[in-house]
Formats: sequence, C-alpha cells, structure tokens
Amino acid sequence: GQNIDQPTEMTATEGAIVQINCTYQTSGFNGLFWYQQHAGEAPTFLSYNVLDGLEEKGRFSSFLSRSKGYSYLLLKELQMKDSASYLCAVMDSNYQLIWGAGTKLIIKP
Amino acid sequence: DGGITQSPKYLFRKEGQNVTLSCEQNLNHDAMYWYRQDPGQGLRLIYYSQIVNDFQKGDIAEGYSVSREKKESFPLTVTSAQKNPTAFYLCASTPPGIAGDTINEQFFGPGTRLTVL
Repeated sequence: GQNIDQPTEMTATEGAIVQINCTYQTSGFNGLFWYQQHAGEAPTFLSYNVLDGLEEKGRFSSFLSRSKGYSYLLLKELQMKDSASYLCAVMDSNYQLIWGAGTKLIIKP
Repeated sequence: DGGITQSPKYLFRKEGQNVTLSCEQNLNHDAMYWYRQDPGQGLRLIYYSQIVNDFQKGDIAEGYSVSREKKESFPLTVTSAQKNPTAFYLCASTPPGIAGDTINEQFFGPGTRLTVL
C-alpha cells in the first residue's frame, strides 16, 4: 500500500530553526508537495520537489531524496504565525496526491 | 479575483438527510477534487473530475455523489448512505497539464465543516 509518514506534532521556539521530516512509499513518484494549513482553514502551497536536492524559498526550504523516499521542510527564523500544520503529499504514478496526516507545529515565544 | 469558493462554511444536517456542498472556481482549471479531512488524518480523496461531464471515484466515494455539468462547478452531495459524514470537506482544483514544466499544485477552497446532529 501507499504510505506517507510525518511526526504528529513538533514544538519549536520563536526565532529558531525546525526541520519537519516526511518519508513515503508510493506507487510511482511524480513529485512531492508541502502545504501549510492553519487550523480550520484550507491548505496553502509551500513547495514542490521532483528532483533530488534542496529548493529554497525565503525562510522555507524543502529537500528531497528519491532513493531514500525522504523529504524534509526546513523553516528558519520561526515566527508565531508559522504555528500551523504542515502537510506532505506525494503525486503517484496516476498523478493522484497521497497525503500524510500532517505535522502540527507549535511555536513558543 | 480568481479563486475557489465553497459554501456554506458551516453546515448542520440531521441524520437521514442528503446535503449538497457547493464548489465553484473561476481559475479556468480543468481538474477538480473533493477531499475529506478528519482530525489526525491526511486528506482523503472522495471524487475527482478531469473534464466536464466526467468524474472518477476516489478512495472513499461510498455515500457520496458528484456532478460536473460546468467547468466552474463541482458540487458534492453527501447522502444518507454515508455512515459518518461529520468532517471538514475541501474542494480543490489544478491548472491544465500533468507533466513537464507544470508543477500542478492544487488550489483549495476555504472548506465546509459538516456536522450531523
């Protein structure tokens, strides 16, 4: 079966750096997405990786290793507004998104 | 402004009643999706549609129905056959193209929270 694993919850301090990991086992691979979702709201797109390596976008970076079935989202200079759930999703061979359960990130002052 | 709208934001239903959730987009996207989100779980695909007048079942289609009569609209009906319908429902769409340079991210509506009383 297809599976996406992420930690359920993480806590970090304002101004610090946090890394959220995602491992996956899917039928084929056509890219990995990270989304941010604030409580009660819709997910919003953060990043996309289809080739191995690091993609940087401002305070957020995303890394992919296809051979290891592994990705991480790195958030730098954490702000209180970064408190949210972070969803990892993989596009499989049928171009359907398989979603992880999300990681709830709690930022403390 | 272009975007996806869902209505209503909150919906209450009595057991045994059918209810229809609205999803409209003016992004000119071909593909549209319905997901269900429960606490502690990932998004689960209910139905999707790649083009008008065509739709496919997702992983948890039982107890749901959809229609795609117009490109802009993809309403979801939660029928009385759905045993546990209380959840947060999200509609999404993607732009044309599935490979090459297209990232093909999904754009989401604000969601409808359905509660069965």
